[in-house]
Amino acid sequence: DAMVIQNPRYQVTQFGKPVTLSCSQTLNHNVMYWYQQKSSQAPKLLFHYYDKDFNNEADTPDNFQSRRPNTSFCFLDIRSPGLGDAAMYLCATSRDQAYYEQYFGPGTRLTVT
Amino acid sequence: TQLLEQSPQFLSIQEGENLTVYCNSSSVFSSLQWYRQEPGEGPVLLVTVVTGGEVKKLKRLTFQFGDARKDSSLHITAAQPGDTGLYLCAGGRNTGNQFYFGTGTSLTVIP
Repeated sequence: DAMVIQNPRYQVTQFGKPVTLSCSQTLNHNVMYWYQQKSSQAPKLLFHYYDKDFNNEADTPDNFQSRRPNTSFCFLDIRSPGLGDAAMYLCATSRDQAYYEQYFGPGTRLTVT
Repeated sequence: TQLLEQSPQFLSIQEGENLTVYCNSSSVFSSLQWYRQEPGEGPVLLVTVVTGGEVKKLKRLTFQFGDARKDSSLHITAAQPGDTGLYLCAGGRNTGNQFYFGTGTSLTVIP
């Protein structure tokens, strides 16, 4: 089945140690998103790619970076994780512009020790 | 200030009861989606509504988009424990290519 896949599902990293989360999609969607979600709160958009165009949210810390090497893959890099970065990270895709439905992966739960 | 406010924020009910979740805004949206998210998983799309006044049904779930396309409701009939989760509304605006999540409603259905 076409889907959004995130690896790993659980990631533990040390304070200040860079970490990369990955997302892949078989939907062939143009747009890929990264969200941060903390306990029972709504997801918070970090950035998105419309094809190769990168769009950063104004309040996303510089500590968070992203790469999209091709249509199928997108990566979230956290350069120096802090304790406050512990959260669920969700990848999502949409066919085209942002107001179409978004399809989410299962998420990666990041723990920072 | 959130663009989309959901109420209630938390809801705990007995199995078999009915409930309604509201998603309100002062802004107009091109489309509105409802998602359900179970603990430890990503949100799953339930429905999209695009026309003012539109009503969609998904088994025991009824979704309505307000006539002015500023608000929406989700009604669940005879809730079951499997309905437990975080319900999120989300609105899209084609002007400026914008997408907003609501504040979320955490539902617990007690057997």
